[in-house]
Amino acid sequence: GQQVMQIPQYQHVQEGEDFTTYCNSSTTLSNIQWYKQRPGGHPVFLIQLVKSGEVKKQKRLTFQFGEAKKNSSLHITATQTTDVGTYFCAGRNTNAGKSTFGDGTTLTVKP
Amino acid sequence: EADIYQTPRYLVIGTGKKITLECSQTMGHDKMYWYQQDPGMELHLIHYSYGVNSTEKGDLSSESTVSRIRTEHFPLTLESARPSHTSQYLCASTKARTGELFFGEGSRLTVL
Repeated sequence: GQQVMQIPQYQHVQEGEDFTTYCNSSTTLSNIQWYKQRPGGHPVFLIQLVKSGEVKKQKRLTFQFGEAKKNSSLHITATQTTDVGTYFCAGRNTNAGKSTFGDGTTLTVKP
Repeated sequence: EADIYQTPRYLVIGTGKKITLECSQTMGHDKMYWYQQDPGMELHLIHYSYGVNSTEKGDLSSESTVSRIRTEHFPLTLESARPSHTSQYLCASTKARTGELFFGEGSRLTVL
């Protein structure tokens, strides 16, 4: 079955440093979504990427979808304490009506 | 904010009890899902539904069962709870076209 892997599992940064999490799928994806889950909370949708090579930005967050549509990344510039949480990617392949979540990357930010 | 609700938010019960976790959404979404998540860990899909009278098992085997008699309601039932069922259960729904998942706040189950 489809597998989606994320690295790193944990990332500790000083406030103001940049952060990147990577998502890799064993199969070609039709789209990929990113979610953020704050400690004790539930996942909240951030963005969806559909096109090969697509890049989208949300303020300090930059999302990329690989040319082969098998990998993606989320980059945060100048992290803030409000960025703390676990970031999940979720990949969907063409024929599946459901997404497969990655393991998540947990970000902690030291003020 | 999405209109998807889960009850109870927290539940502590003894082994062998039957429990039902409720999930309701008012967005008219056809697709609904149940995920199981241990603290700080990944989400595992345990059940999903594409519409009324449609239910499927997810990627992770689960002893729970679900039903979908109404579009807005997708309850999950454990006939006989065990300590291994201790976890957080997250319900989600999506518009058929976009696939963006809206999650409820979760039900944290502890089985003693």
